[in-house]
Amino acid sequence: QKEVEQDPGPLSVPEGAIVSLNCTYSNSAFQYFMWYRQYSRKGPELLMYTYSSGNKEDGRFTAQVDKSSKYISLFIRDSQPSDSATYLCAMFISDSWGKLQFGAGTQVVVTP
Amino acid sequence: DAMVIQNPRYQVTQFGKPVTLSCSQTLNHNVMYWYQQKSSQAPKLLFHYYDKDFNNEADTPDNFQSRRPNTSFCFLDIRSPGLGDAAMYLCATSGDSSNEKLFFGSGTQLSVL
Repeated sequence: QKEVEQDPGPLSVPEGAIVSLNCTYSNSAFQYFMWYRQYSRKGPELLMYTYSSGNKEDGRFTAQVDKSSKYISLFIRDSQPSDSATYLCAMFISDSWGKLQFGAGTQVVVTP
Repeated sequence: DAMVIQNPRYQVTQFGKPVTLSCSQTLNHNVMYWYQQKSSQAPKLLFHYYDKDFNNEADTPDNFQSRRPNTSFCFLDIRSPGLGDAAMYLCATSGDSSNEKLFFGSGTQLSVL
């Protein structure tokens, strides 16, 4: 069983819809949670970085962490075609020096 | 405005021919990382530097080496590339704390013929 599970998609939504992405994890020691966006043949770009359980908003993006259920989510409101990309969740244990445990990524396609 | 810059964007090498990938950063971060990402897979950490202190992951093959001559630059050397080494190689940086967020470059796509 992988430490971090993420549905690979593709997830296709019409422009303006809400995109909902999820990851589950098995290691309760994970403390820091991130969402990265990766366009084709580019490096991952950090979208959200959270530590505590609950919600964090940044513009059209909301990250949600539920440590008791070992479940994290990313919501994208008012989705745009430019949001079409692969979204990777990532997490790490405190003091693990960049040893991010990534999900395999969910491909999102926003159609005009 | 690019903060972590990787060159080249695409690299083609022959089986067994040494290749070097480069990374530079303008963030003045002490920590630099190399990740390998194969198609449709999650990135995998190869090693990282804290300043000049090199830290190798246990499962990183000996074929992969790294050099960091100064704060701004880091190199990934693949001594004898095999077909299985074809991948995207990602450089990342972070600040001093072990819990800092990572910033990635655009990557170098390596092909091995």
